Amino acid sequence: QVQLVQSGAEVRKPGASVIVSCKASGYTFSDYYLHWVRQAPGQGLEWMGWINPHSTETHLAQRFQGRVTMTWGTSITTAYMHLSDLRSDDTAMYYCARGEGAEYFHHWGQGALVTVSS
Amino acid sequence: DVQMTQSPSTLSASVGDRVTITCRASQSIGTSLAWYQQKPGKGPKLLIYKASSLESGVPSRFSGSASGTEFSLTISSLQPDDFATYYCQQYFSYSLTFGQGTRLGIK
Repeated sequence: QVQLVQSGAEVRKPGASVIVSCKASGYTFSDYYLHWVRQAPGQGLEWMGWINPHSTETHLAQRFQGRVTMTWGTSITTAYMHLSDLRSDDTAMYYCARGEGAEYFHHWGQGALVTVSS
Repeated sequence: DVQMTQSPSTLSASVGDRVTITCRASQSIGTSLAWYQQKPGKGPKLLIYKASSLESGVPSRFSGSASGTEFSLTISSLQPDDFATYYCQQYFSYSLTFGQGTRLGIK
């Protein structure tokens, strides 16, 4: 069955960067877009962007352009989301999700909590 | 970006009630809308896509509809497992956006 397994919780200081990974299994990774969505504590869902593992194309929400990089590993079954210049309001649960193209999400990872605190 | 305005933000209801949650788009998005359910400490679960298509395995008491830029998620007879937060999400625009969520609690 489809599984998306994310890396563990991270704590960073303001100004630092973090990488969250998402290992996919149970399907052909290159056939589906991989999206990243975050959720601040007690808040709603915020879409960050997607990567197309087949073409290497990425598309980011405007507010994350310049601070977020989405890539995939050489094994082509693990995706990475790199967020730089962290601020306290980046504290959130970060989810990867398998997209039905660039549209909606059938499957989600378990989430990775990133805490930014001095 | 397409803005999604969801209402109400909170809703209290009883088991067996029929409830409707509404999402309004800031522009025409056709039927490019999905609904998700999220429970505390869990990731979201897809319920509805293409405004009214039921995801496989989702109970038939959930339904979606569309009228212009207004979309609705209806639960025909609330069950104890349905108390959760619900989100709409548009995918008409290249940049995806969610509604702010509706927390459905027990009356």
